[in-house]
Amino acid sequence: TQLLEQSPQFLSIQEGENLTVYCNSSSVFSSLQWYRQEPGEGPVLLVTVVTGGEVKKLKRLTFQFGDARKDSSLHITAAQPGDTGLYLCAGDGSSNTGKLIFGQGTTLQVKP
Amino acid sequence: GAVVSQHPSWVICKSGTSVKIECRSLDFQATTMFWYRQFPKQSLMLMATSNEGSKATYEQGVEKDKFLINHASLTLSTLTVTSAHPEDSSFYICSAQRRGGLAYEQYFGPGTRLTVT
Repeated sequence: TQLLEQSPQFLSIQEGENLTVYCNSSSVFSSLQWYRQEPGEGPVLLVTVVTGGEVKKLKRLTFQFGDARKDSSLHITAAQPGDTGLYLCAGDGSSNTGKLIFGQGTTLQVKP
Repeated sequence: GAVVSQHPSWVICKSGTSVKIECRSLDFQATTMFWYRQFPKQSLMLMATSNEGSKATYEQGVEKDKFLINHASLTLSTLTVTSAHPEDSSFYICSAQRRGGLAYEQYFGPGTRLTVT
């Protein structure tokens, strides 16, 4: 069974601070996606990474896929209150079927 | 693009009744949709994979006779919670799968809050 370990599960920081969220697995994923979810809403896709070592940037968010495609990280620079939410990583198993395995999620609170 | 809708957004029903939730991909066709359940402050739990024109594939521990899934067209999947009980109260979210470059991507609906009294 493929698992994605996401850490930390909870993070409360002040506006302007930097943070990193990690997703780790012993399994290889053909792709990995990051989502952000606000209370009472569905997750919104932020990015998809496919190639080992790939780095993608979305404004103040930087996503990295590990060289072996077993892990990923999300780094937020100068966090803002609008970044508050639940961040989820999700991997497509190496069979590339589209069925996602989700991490436990990271609840981020950014205080003004 | 890649907009997915869900209806209703919230529903309250009495124990023993059935509730149908619709999931629609509004601007793309989806041969595969997924149904998830989410408890407060937790991640998503996959219930089943809905395939257009064929039977749904249920995850271990999910009762297929209780959670009926019908993928009638390339833009519509429905989840019917039959004989609902209070323990079925939850946030149900669907997603529609689309191929994006080298990977499949899932686009989620806004969710349906079900409360069974």
